[in-house]
Amino acid sequence: QVHLAQSGAEVKRPGASVKVSCKASGYTFTAYYIQWVRQAPGQGLEWMGVINSSGGTTSYSQKFQGRVTMTRDTSTTTVYMEVSSLTSEDTAVYYCARSQYYPTTDYYGLDVWGQGTTVTVSS
Amino acid sequence: QSVLTQPPSVSGAPGQRVTISCTGSSSNIGAGYDVHWYQQLPGKAPRLLLYGYSNRPSGVPERFSGSKSGTSASLAITGLQAEDEADYYCHSYDSSMTVLFGGGTKLTVL
Repeated sequence: QVHLAQSGAEVKRPGASVKVSCKASGYTFTAYYIQWVRQAPGQGLEWMGVINSSGGTTSYSQKFQGRVTMTRDTSTTTVYMEVSSLTSEDTAVYYCARSQYYPTTDYYGLDVWGQGTTVTVSS
Repeated sequence: QSVLTQPPSVSGAPGQRVTISCTGSSSNIGAGYDVHWYQQLPGKAPRLLLYGYSNRPSGVPERFSGSKSGTSASLAITGLQAEDEADYYCHSYDSSMTVLFGGGTKLTVL
């Protein structure tokens, strides 16, 4: 069945970087976009960006521009998101989610979600 | 803060009907961008509940419905059940070139 499997929890020091993976299975990888959403403890959902799994083009939230990099490996059907210059405010659960279309014309929403990856930033 | 505004909390007794609003503006909901709704159970990933304002993915009960009016969207839950107790989020796009989520609404089943 359709599944997004994320990498395990991470603990990082302030100033470090973290790279989270999201392995897709059960569907045609290149036919969908992957979006990343994070959720700080006790807070709501926050959109970080999107990657076209086919061509690899990306679009990032202005808030994370310059600090987030999303890439994909079509041979392993895996998407990666790296966040640099971490601070305690980056402590959150990071989710990858699938969409059929780019956000501007996204009629079907985020229909499949990964289980989430907890990133803790602490000195 | 979110540009899509939801009430922080709503509540209802089992069997009752509750609605959750999502108020946007002319640059998102009012501009014609689709609205989607998600349910998030405690400690779990969000789950798509409605897409394109009012369409239910396979497996979502008919008790969940959605609508749009002007610059707002609404989620209605009828025949409230204990298992519906969760956080609910609306989701849309804004012409400022970003994706928006509402702040979330905590539903309590009394």
